[in-house]
Amino acid sequence: NAGVTQTPKFRILKIGQSMTLQCTQDMNHNYMYWYRQDPGMGLKLIYYSVGAGITDKGEVPNGYNVSRSTTEDFPLRLELAAPSQTSVYFCASSPKGQGADTQYFGPGTRLTVL
Amino acid sequence: QKEVEQDPGPLSVPEGAIVSLNCTYSNSAFQYFMWYRQYSRKGPELLMYTYSSGNKEDGRFTAQVDKSSKYISLFIRDSQPSDSATYLCAMTWITSGNTPLVFGKGTRLSVIA
Repeated sequence: NAGVTQTPKFRILKIGQSMTLQCTQDMNHNYMYWYRQDPGMGLKLIYYSVGAGITDKGEVPNGYNVSRSTTEDFPLRLELAAPSQTSVYFCASSPKGQGADTQYFGPGTRLTVL
Repeated sequence: QKEVEQDPGPLSVPEGAIVSLNCTYSNSAFQYFMWYRQYSRKGPELLMYTYSSGNKEDGRFTAQVDKSSKYISLFIRDSQPSDSATYLCAMTWITSGNTPLVFGKGTRLSVIA
């Protein structure tokens, strides 16, 4: 199993541009998550999904959109990129989404908005 | 007051030292406590988890939870250079639905050979 894969690894955007961060998992997990990690600030939940067709906001959803048309894929869309969205973005998945259920993280996408 | 507080370090220790990493929290509803390890430019990976209070040991790692003090610790014995990473505590509560993790900021550890 490849686990959780993310593309691209790096990206530089200009202010106002848009892009989609791709996330795919091959573990048949129902739950998927998008986090952002700013230096020294820990992980903040952007959006999560409990299954295909179902998504919900996390702690910091503004400026982002998600969709979940299949179990495997959970893309994150940035519209009108802003410098405040410069961060490292991690996608994660888990089987049950509760308690100590392990979240499996992808390698991250480093995004810079200039 | 933030829900989860964690000293970001950096913490630098010599090889073989005992390392103590800590988090405090304010939400008494938290029941599950986890430690994730994150190597440089990688995603976090689950290292250990404990439920409610008590200790859990796994090889050189011991996780400890003191719910009365709202304080959790991760001890690393005989630390190795390969333990150099950022350690993030995470915690959540019990409900019938999805329970998002609340992460600390992470402590960067360097073990010097």
